[in-house]
Amino acid sequence: ETGVTQSPTHLIKTRGQQVTLRCSSQSGHNTVSWYQQALGQGPQFIFQYYREEENGRGNFPPRFSGLQFPNYSSELNVNALELDDSALYLCASSGTSGRGYEQYFGPGTRLTVT
Amino acid sequence: DAKTTQPPSMDCAEGRAANLPCNHSTISGNEYVYWYRQIHSQGPQYIIHGLKNNETNEMASLIITEDRKSSTLILPHATLRDTAVYYCIVRVFYHSGAGSYQLTFGKGTKLSVIP
Repeated sequence: ETGVTQSPTHLIKTRGQQVTLRCSSQSGHNTVSWYQQALGQGPQFIFQYYREEENGRGNFPPRFSGLQFPNYSSELNVNALELDDSALYLCASSGTSGRGYEQYFGPGTRLTVT
Repeated sequence: DAKTTQPPSMDCAEGRAANLPCNHSTISGNEYVYWYRQIHSQGPQYIIHGLKNNETNEMASLIITEDRKSSTLILPHATLRDTAVYYCIVRVFYHSGAGSYQLTFGKGTKLSVIP
């Protein structure tokens, strides 16, 4: 069973630029969630995709957007980067099960905005 | 979302049981209690979850009080590799039948296992 993978592992961008982060979900999982984790804080929910449609969104501005593809992999796009966007971005995949729908996280992408 | 309260840090001697408490007094009837942990600079790792009955798996045990207002995660024989931040989370459903939910993380409990 292949786990959740994310790319790239590290990224440095300049304020105002755009960035795309990628996530491959665990085999058999159809739901992908994205989280932002600032230093010293718990992860904060950005949004979730289920069967290629956004299925819930946290308190993040529209410049955070995403996609899910037919193979359930996903992208997170951030436009007009700000210094406060520097964080660890985590992707989690989940499937449907009798109870729980537990989420499995990837290792994250460390984004630094200068 | 139901809020959770956890102590910011705890120490545990290696080989002893680690008991991590969590208060979730506003939990509603269909919300589950989840535990995740995050080892430094890695993604969170699912540990266990439960609704109202006590649960056990190969990693840990989860004890939920009868009124469901609090729970305890038990690592029966803590090792140095269990040093991590442990998050207690109450799950919210977005859409029934869609198999989806948001995890609301707090700051968790930093568990240090001491040799």
